[in-house]
Amino acid sequence: GQQLNQSPQSMFIQEGEDVSMNCTSSSIFNTWLWYKQEPGEGPVLLIALYKAGELTSNGRLTAQFGITRKDSFLNISASIPSDVGIYFCAGPLSGNTPLVFGKGTRLSVIA
Amino acid sequence: DTAVSQTPKYLVTQMGNDKSIKCEQNLGHDTMYWYKQDSKKFLKIMFSYNNKELIINETVPNRFSPKSPDKAHLNLHINSLELGDSAVYFCASSSQGGNTFGSGTRLTVV
Repeated sequence: GQQLNQSPQSMFIQEGEDVSMNCTSSSIFNTWLWYKQEPGEGPVLLIALYKAGELTSNGRLTAQFGITRKDSFLNISASIPSDVGIYFCAGPLSGNTPLVFGKGTRLSVIA
Repeated sequence: DTAVSQTPKYLVTQMGNDKSIKCEQNLGHDTMYWYKQDSKKFLKIMFSYNNKELIINETVPNRFSPKSPDKAHLNLHINSLELGDSAVYFCASSSQGGNTFGSGTRLTVV
């Protein structure tokens, strides 16, 4: 099936550092989504991107929809301990279909 | 008021048993889903329902049977549980674009 390749798999960073992670696909996506999952909880939507080239921010988070529509990245600036979690990229194959997920980037922040 | 709620949160059961997980959404969404998250945290779609009708069944064994009594509810019944069914099961709903997820049901089959 369709796969999203997400990297890196895990990151250990110092509090205050900036973080960057990305997601690529062999197929075109019309929507890119970034989710965060904390232990014992379901994924929570952070940012949704709907147009190629779109750059969207949500507080310290910034995500971009790649021009080719086959990639996206998520940046977190000035990380804090509560940024810890697993970050997933995702996208619907078409329209209102279920999401295909990347394998996640596990972020650890060292205070 | 929780948007997508699923129960129970934890479920421990023996192999061969039958169990159900319930899900309700109060968002007025037409589409609901069941996802499975394995031990490596990989999330994969199992079923998709739109207005109580099954739209997608992603090669899930017949032992898994979703039921949608109305568009706000999508329950998952699992027969003859196997060790490999141990995972976290997430219910979700959507109208357009992103899914809203429940907090998951951790199923452990012993």
